[in-house]
Amino acid sequence: SAVISQKPSRDICQRGTSLTIQCQVDSQVTMMFWYRQQPGQSLTLIATANQGSEATYESGFVIDKFPISRPNLTFSTLTVSNMSPEDSSIYLCSGSGGNEQFFGPGTRLTVL
Amino acid sequence: DQQVKQNSPSLSVQEGRISILNCDYTNSMFDYFLWYKKYPAEGPTFLISISSIKDKNEDGRFTVFLNKSAKHLSLHIVPSQPGDSAVYFCAARKASTDSWGKLQFGAGTQVVVTP
Repeated sequence: SAVISQKPSRDICQRGTSLTIQCQVDSQVTMMFWYRQQPGQSLTLIATANQGSEATYESGFVIDKFPISRPNLTFSTLTVSNMSPEDSSIYLCSGSGGNEQFFGPGTRLTVL
Repeated sequence: DQQVKQNSPSLSVQEGRISILNCDYTNSMFDYFLWYKKYPAEGPTFLISISSIKDKNEDGRFTVFLNKSAKHLSLHIVPSQPGDSAVYFCAARKASTDSWGKLQFGAGTQVVVTP
């Protein structure tokens, strides 16, 4: 199984600023994804991170707010732009290969 | 629109007894189902999965049952252990290549195993 790490593990940010979250997978995975878990809610898919091309966003999520990069098969970044308190969530990176899908430990973001 | 539902937000079970977690789904296009366990401050950990062509899958103390006609699946943990105390998420995936990895999650069930 793949091991996924994320940096930072948590952060407290001011309204209007941006934060970039890094995700590293220890082995090549076919696909990488970014999910969000808002307080008291389930996990929601933000986008699929495509290697070398623009990410594919789910309904309700846009590139200007959540720009994503994936320069190679094992690394991806998610930026949360122009943050507001509503962006306070846990952001999770996920990778899949075959039928299994793995998750990183998450980045707990608090926006003041 | 919540396509995967876990209607029990919490479950308390005695150590050694069986834990039964339930999950319902509404989208008949789902063909693969997964259960994840999540501890606080950690990411979800894959537990067990089942394809829609099966009605049961077993892995050690964990068994998942799928009833396609009822659009219902359940996770059985036997026997329950204190380390099983966590939030359990049910997730589903559609049968198409562009949906690969796009999981729909339920709201989760908090399991507490008491001594």
